[in-house]
Amino acid sequence: GQNIDQPTEMTATEGAIVQINCTYQTSGFNGLFWYQQHAGEAPTFLSYNVLDGLEEKGRFSSFLSRSKGYSYLLLKELQMKDSASYLCAVIDSNYQLIWGAGTKLIIKP
Amino acid sequence: DGGITQSPKYLFRKEGQNVTLSCEQNLNHDAMYWYRQDPGQGLRLIYYSQIVNDFQKGDIAEGYSVSREKKESFPLTVTSAQKNPTAFYLCASSISSGELYNEQFFGPGTRLTVL
Repeated sequence: GQNIDQPTEMTATEGAIVQINCTYQTSGFNGLFWYQQHAGEAPTFLSYNVLDGLEEKGRFSSFLSRSKGYSYLLLKELQMKDSASYLCAVIDSNYQLIWGAGTKLIIKP
Repeated sequence: DGGITQSPKYLFRKEGQNVTLSCEQNLNHDAMYWYRQDPGQGLRLIYYSQIVNDFQKGDIAEGYSVSREKKESFPLTVTSAQKNPTAFYLCASSISSGELYNEQFFGPGTRLTVL
């Protein structure tokens, strides 16, 4: 079966750095997305990785290792507004998007 | 402004009644999707459509039906056969579902509560 694993919940302090991990076992791989979702709202796109390595976009970076089936989202200089769920999603060999359950990130002052 | 609209934001229905959730997009996207999200869980695919007049079942299609008569519209009907319909429903679209990069754009969602 297809599986994407993320921690259920993480807590971090305002101004700090946090890394949210995602491991996947899917039938094929055609890319990986990270989305942010605030409570009761729609997910919004953060990043896309298809090649190994680090993609940096402002305070957010996303890393991919295809050989390890592993990705992480790195959030720097955390702000209270970063409190949200972060969803990892993988495009499989049929070009279907397989979603993880999401990681709820709680930011404390 | 291009985007996806879903209405209403909150919907209440009595048990046993069918209800239709609307989803409209003006992004000129070919592919559209319906997801269900329950508290603490990820997105589960109900139905998706790659082109007008065609749609496929997702992982949890039982008790739901869709139509795709126009490119812009992809309404979802939650029937009385759906055992536990109370959930947050999200509609999404992408340029095409058969591409490597198929970023999905989401509507604001409809929270359905069945009483």
